[in-house]
Amino acid sequence: DVKVTQSSRYLVKRTGEKVFLECVQDMDHENMFWYRQDPGLGLRLIYFSYDVKMKEKGDIPEGYSVSREKKERFSLILESASTNQTSMYLCASRTRRRGNTEAFFGQGTRLTVV
Amino acid sequence: DAKTTQPTSMDCAEGRAANLPCNHSTISGNEYVYWYRQIHSQGPQYIIHGLKNNETNEMASLIITEDRKSSTLILPHATLRDTAVYYCIVRSLFGGGTASKLTFGTGTRLQVTL
Repeated sequence: DVKVTQSSRYLVKRTGEKVFLECVQDMDHENMFWYRQDPGLGLRLIYFSYDVKMKEKGDIPEGYSVSREKKERFSLILESASTNQTSMYLCASRTRRRGNTEAFFGQGTRLTVV
Repeated sequence: DAKTTQPTSMDCAEGRAANLPCNHSTISGNEYVYWYRQIHSQGPQYIIHGLKNNETNEMASLIITEDRKSSTLILPHATLRDTAVYYCIVRSLFGGGTASKLTFGTGTRLQVTL
């Protein structure tokens, strides 16, 4: 059974803290994505990676960074958490191989910054 | 990626067909139409995709107009468990680098009722 696993389901952090959200996939996928989801705004792409050590900004990268040191792991980093980063964060992965086009999502991490 | 437009919400009676429209008037020749859905508190789940021919799988049917500027996702016999937000996305099927990007909009909230 294919899997995208996010390290935490719920997380509460203080303003100014450095926060790491971890995502691991077991499908040997090249592409990995981080989204945030807020009421009325849908899913917005923060960053994505199409290979190890490769990263591209999505639509809302400000305040975030990412790390892809290994193919199976894609980390989202909030250098100094702020209350406006309170949100649901979703990780996804997808292969580049021909014939397989489905993206798989994790269950999400609900982050609250207080 | 081409922009998509979907109604904000729709209702459907259980057992009836749910027809969810999507406009993608700026779609280019190599872009496919994808549909995902997100049930409350879960990550999005792939449903179906197509290029220009109608497609059917165990979950749904996808009807794409001849000019490819719009499409309809059909759930033939909606159940209460189909209540979810449905996302229509258009993107190229293959490609690495920035072509890997998946951009979601706000989707259509489908409410299936008794």
